[in-house]
Amino acid sequence: DGGITQSPKYLFRKEGQNVTLSCEQNLNHDAMYWYRQDPGQGLRLIYYSQIVNDFQKGDIAEGYSVSREKKESFPLTVTSAQKNPTAFYLCASSGAGGPIYGYTFGSGTRLTVV
Amino acid sequence: GQQVMQIPQYQHVQEGEDFTTYCNSSTTLSNIQWYKQRPGGHPVFLIQLVKSGEVKKQKRLTFQFGEAKKNSSLHITATQTTDVGTYFCAGPWGSTLGRLYFGRGTQLTVWP
Repeated sequence: DGGITQSPKYLFRKEGQNVTLSCEQNLNHDAMYWYRQDPGQGLRLIYYSQIVNDFQKGDIAEGYSVSREKKESFPLTVTSAQKNPTAFYLCASSGAGGPIYGYTFGSGTRLTVV
Repeated sequence: GQQVMQIPQYQHVQEGEDFTTYCNSSTTLSNIQWYKQRPGGHPVFLIQLVKSGEVKKQKRLTFQFGEAKKNSSLHITATQTTDVGTYFCAGPWGSTLGRLYFGRGTQLTVWP
């Protein structure tokens, strides 16, 4: 079955460390997105990519980095510059025409700084 | 800043009661989408509305898009415990058509 796979499901990071969250999709979708979710904050966009080798900053890109070397993969690195990284991270994708046909979300990664 | 206002933030109902969440924008929307996120889960796409005044139904769920395409609502008739979760509206606000802006969501709790 087609879908989006995020790994790991839970991740613990020490302060000062960089960590990379994986996002892989087999839906043949062109666009991919990373969102951060905090209680009561809804979904806030970190980065998005509409095509391979191209990506744009979202609303809260500071302290994060991404790459899009393959259509299927859009990993997110949470760097030590992100001051408050503890959150639920969601990856999503959408097909031809962008988001007008709805996003498909992965099951998310819960990142905790210890 | 917040592109869309969604109210209420929380709603607690007894099973069998109705529930409505509202989404409002200051600008005209080309379309609006609704998502549901169960506790501990991820958002799942429910529906998209495109036309002015459009009304769509999915069993006990009724979705409306305002005539001016600036607001939308989701109404659940006779809630069940399976309706528990957070409901989000989202739309391609502004000129950045390659992304969606999500409302903050309405968290629904249903008491049996």
